[in-house]
Amino acid sequence: SQQGEEDPQALSIQEGENATMNCSYKTSINNLQWYRQNSGRGLVHLILIRSNEREKHSGRLRVTLDTSKKSSSLLITASRAADTASYFCATSKGGAQKLVFGQGTRLTINP
Amino acid sequence: NAGVTQTPKFRVLKTGQSMTLLCAQDMNHEYMYWYRQDPGMGLRLIHYSVGEGTTAKGEVPDGYNVSRLKKQNFLLGLESAAPSQTSVYFCASSSRDTDQPQHFGDGTRLSIL
Repeated sequence: SQQGEEDPQALSIQEGENATMNCSYKTSINNLQWYRQNSGRGLVHLILIRSNEREKHSGRLRVTLDTSKKSSSLLITASRAADTASYFCATSKGGAQKLVFGQGTRLTINP
Repeated sequence: NAGVTQTPKFRVLKTGQSMTLLCAQDMNHEYMYWYRQDPGMGLRLIHYSVGEGTTAKGEVPDGYNVSRLKKQNFLLGLESAAPSQTSVYFCASSSRDTDQPQHFGDGTRLSIL
């Protein structure tokens, strides 16, 4: 079964607004990663946060991790139409860096 | 730099037919993975490999076999295709360095009639 649960499943906002997506997981992890998937394409890595980190930034992206609550959030600031995509969180634990994915959040940015 | 390349991109099979999906990476990565993605869902791990000549089962391995004869290639085989295997298949690779992301191909869309 999927370890990650993402919320909301779908999000529609106006261009320029901020978008927040949440991810919860069930077991201890080495790291948590966020990926973007444009329609019909593969996944593109956005950001990785280690289990001993609490917050990480990359451009317009901000990720937080709360290991006590087993949850993470991805904030996209000043959204653009090009941000329209599905966003997935994935947790890594143990050797071989196997990933367990959530079901994703479908983000739509309206011009 | 091609990254991860999957062939074919699309395929339609009849129930009971067999086929092999090919994944090639040019990043000299040790680890390679095969996932499937069903509508509205995240990816689920089918099989993975931590090096040439080694493979292991993931979350949903039944009905699939894999081989990694060369470091750069990871093959996924369906011996007797079933409609339940209709899905989009993604290959990924990563280095063995801790906390490194996986790099994905663009997927193979497979329909089993």
